Amino acid sequence: SYVLTQPPSVSVAPGKTARITCEGNNIGSKNVHWYQQKSGQAPVLVIHYDSDRPSGIPERFSGSKSGDAATLTLSRVEVGDEADYYCQVWDSTSDHYVFGTGTKVTVL
Amino acid sequence: EVHLVESGGGLVKPGGSLRLSCEGSGFTFRNAWMSWVRQAPGKGLEWVGRIKSKFDGGTADYAVPVKGRFTISRDDSKNMVYLQMNSLRTEDTAVYYCAKMSSSFFDYWGQGTLVTVSP
Repeated sequence: SYVLTQPPSVSVAPGKTARITCEGNNIGSKNVHWYQQKSGQAPVLVIHYDSDRPSGIPERFSGSKSGDAATLTLSRVEVGDEADYYCQVWDSTSDHYVFGTGTKVTVL
Repeated sequence: EVHLVESGGGLVKPGGSLRLSCEGSGFTFRNAWMSWVRQAPGKGLEWVGRIKSKFDGGTADYAVPVKGRFTISRDDSKNMVYLQMNSLRTEDTAVYYCAKMSSSFFDYWGQGTLVTVSP
């Protein structure tokens, strides 16, 4: 089955930039989506189709993809950005949906 | 505004059954593909299964760990999607989220309902 690997944790100071990677085999051929999940809450879509922001998501959130990795970048990080972040793809081989292992972002 | 509200969670013994419900509003429910996603305590997100719109065939597909035990159905007249869970195991303990789908991603999520499988 398809696997997406993320770093378990990322720490960042307020106002700085955090980058969260998502690695998977041949991920360049897949559309990558990203979710933010704050403690005790349901996930929220923050990036779809690699780099598109849904309405209401701040421009500080951006996505990119290169080689076998996708990256979610949080610019000018705020305390309120502290959350778990998950990448997700659709695996066409199985017609199933796969989530990454998740990254906990801590704002120092 | 899109709203998804799950219900039906609770405590059940191993081997037991439970049916979760999800009511959608604020969108054309009959046209939507719907999924269930779960999250075990302290763990990450895991896709459980999906049901297509009736226009697209209305079929359901499931993740390997639940295939043959879980069944997703829908009642478009009531804007409801259901997750029937049979032969429950302790490892099925999780918060279960209902999610509306847009193409290959989940654009709206419910607040979740907790299922605890314990002797």
